[in-house]
Amino acid sequence: GQNIDQPTEMTATEGAIVQINCTYQTSGFNGLFWYQQHAGEAPTFLSYNVLDGLEEKGRFSSFLSRSKGYSYLLLKELQMKDSASYLCASMDSNYQLIWGAGTKLIIKP
Amino acid sequence: DADVTQTPRNRITKTGKRIMLECSQTKGHDRMYWYRQDPGLGLRLIYYSFDVKDINKGEISDGYSVSRQAQAKFSLSLESAIPNQTALYFCATSDLGDSTDTQYFGPGTRLTVL
Repeated sequence: GQNIDQPTEMTATEGAIVQINCTYQTSGFNGLFWYQQHAGEAPTFLSYNVLDGLEEKGRFSSFLSRSKGYSYLLLKELQMKDSASYLCASMDSNYQLIWGAGTKLIIKP
Repeated sequence: DADVTQTPRNRITKTGKRIMLECSQTKGHDRMYWYRQDPGLGLRLIYYSFDVKDINKGEISDGYSVSRQAQAKFSLSLESAIPNQTALYFCATSDLGDSTDTQYFGPGTRLTVL
């Protein structure tokens, strides 16, 4: 079956670094997406990985290992506005996104 | 102005009523999607359309129907609403010409069925 696993909730301190992990099992693979979603708002696109390795985009980086079915989102220099849910999604062989339930990140001062 | 808009933003209705949620986009994207989001669950695909003449069922299409009136408009109908259709509904779009097929979301419609 198809499945995405990510932690339900994480807590981190302002200014610190946090890594949010995601493991996936999908029929076929056409890329791994990360989205940010503030409570009650729309998901907004953060990153896309299709090849193994690290993609860096400012304070946010995303890593992919296709052989392990594993990705992580790394957030550096955490700010209070980073408090949100982070959604991991894998694109399957039919180019449909399979979504994880999201990781709620709580930032403490 | 927002690229993807949804109306209404909030709706409360009663069991058995017919409801239509509308989505419009100015991004010029070919592909449009309807999802629902429930607490503790991932986004689930209801229907998607790759162009005006193309409509496809998603994971949870029962109880829903859609209409793609134009490239820019994609509406979702609940023929006879029931309480377990209470959820946050999102429309999304993506570009056929984008190799990553990244999806961009509207602001959502919060639907409550009493």
